Amino acid sequence: EDQVTQSPEALRLQEGESSSLNCSYTVSGLRGLFWYRQDPGKGPEFLFTLYSAGEEKEKERLKATLTKKESFLHITAPKPEDSATYLCAVRKAAGNKLTFGGGTRVLVKP
Amino acid sequence: DTGVSQNPRHKITKRGQNVTFRCDPISEHNRLYWYRQTLGQGPEFLTYFQNEAQLEKSRLLSDRFSAERPKGSFSTLEIQRTEQGDSAMYLCASSPTSYEQYFGPGTRLTVT
Repeated sequence: EDQVTQSPEALRLQEGESSSLNCSYTVSGLRGLFWYRQDPGKGPEFLFTLYSAGEEKEKERLKATLTKKESFLHITAPKPEDSATYLCAVRKAAGNKLTFGGGTRVLVKP
Repeated sequence: DTGVSQNPRHKITKRGQNVTFRCDPISEHNRLYWYRQTLGQGPEFLTYFQNEAQLEKSRLLSDRFSAERPKGSFSTLEIQRTEQGDSAMYLCASSPTSYEQYFGPGTRLTVT
């Protein structure tokens, strides 16, 4: 069965303190790994799609990387507005659904 | 706003009542998905439509749940005889291809 595990569950950072979030996955035939940002009471907001090991994507202070077993979301010099829950999801070759991890709640304090 | 819209945003109902939620996908997105999210957890897949055809359903979708997408445009999710365990955020997503899914704001259901 497909599994996605995110760590840590929660992360408290000072503004400017860079860190990384981990997403470990077990899926047969990965078709894509997705990162989303979710603010309280809102739907997930799409950030990145990674398709193959070695791929990297960047957007502002966020950078996502992918290996054969895990993905990392690096937050460089975070600002308070980066506070949110970051969700990782996988999609396998056969099927249409996304399987999500439990998310990492990030709080950036000024 | 051209994003996915969902109505209502909040619904409070008594146990045993039926509820229906609506999702309007991004225009021309032929794929539509329903997910359920409980507090502190990631979204869980419920069902998937391509145009008007319901092609995949999760085992989570008990016989009290039914979803439709008439004419391949908006979709409705109905829950019959609601139970307290149905309390959750119900999320709709749409996509133009088989890759990125774009989510709506969700409908928060509270069953008392």
